[in-house]
Amino acid sequence: EAGVAQSPRYKIIEKRQSVAFWCNPISGHATLYWYQQILGQGPKLLIQFQNNGVVDDSQLPKDRFSAERLKGVDSTLKIQPAKLEDSAVYLCASSFGTPDGYTFGSGTRLTVV
Amino acid sequence: GDSVTQMEGPVTLSEEAFLTINCTYTATGYPSLFWYVQYPGEGLQLLLKATKADDKGSNKGFEATYRKETTSFHLEKGSVQVSDSAVYFCALSVIYNFNKFYFGSGTKLNVKP
Repeated sequence: EAGVAQSPRYKIIEKRQSVAFWCNPISGHATLYWYQQILGQGPKLLIQFQNNGVVDDSQLPKDRFSAERLKGVDSTLKIQPAKLEDSAVYLCASSFGTPDGYTFGSGTRLTVV
Repeated sequence: GDSVTQMEGPVTLSEEAFLTINCTYTATGYPSLFWYVQYPGEGLQLLLKATKADDKGSNKGFEATYRKETTSFHLEKGSVQVSDSAVYFCALSVIYNFNKFYFGSGTKLNVKP
């Protein structure tokens, strides 16, 4: 079974620039999550989709972050404009809805300079 | 709301020492509980899980028992190795609540030879 695919693996941008991350979940997984993991901290849930609808985006900084999941499959997370404090690893995960079904991607490491 | 609290680190042990990392949870209902491990420079890996009260998860010499009465899921290992040095995250999922998935803040373990 293919895992959760994320790209790019690394990205370096200057503050105030924009950036986008892409995630392709495991086929058939209805739930998709985006997490932000700042160095030395636990992953923080940014947004959760169920199919192509948003279940929870309470911790998403909506003035600069946006995410979409068209057709309930792939998802894109965008930051515009980026700030220094956005430097982190952005993790995508998907789930089939059972305790065995959570799978995480390798993440995208973003550095904002 | 649903959440996970784990002991702060870092935890420093000598090789072959006994390890305990405490984790307690708050959930309205019966969550599934997980321990993830993150080695330096790598992604999250599922270490073990338990899906109902009194279940014991185990893997690579690590164990954790789902204790409903104390709302705990403490991670233990009888004899740690230098190669166990990593950050350990406790997590819970709440399938009844839109399949939410939450992480603790992480506990860094340093094992000295």
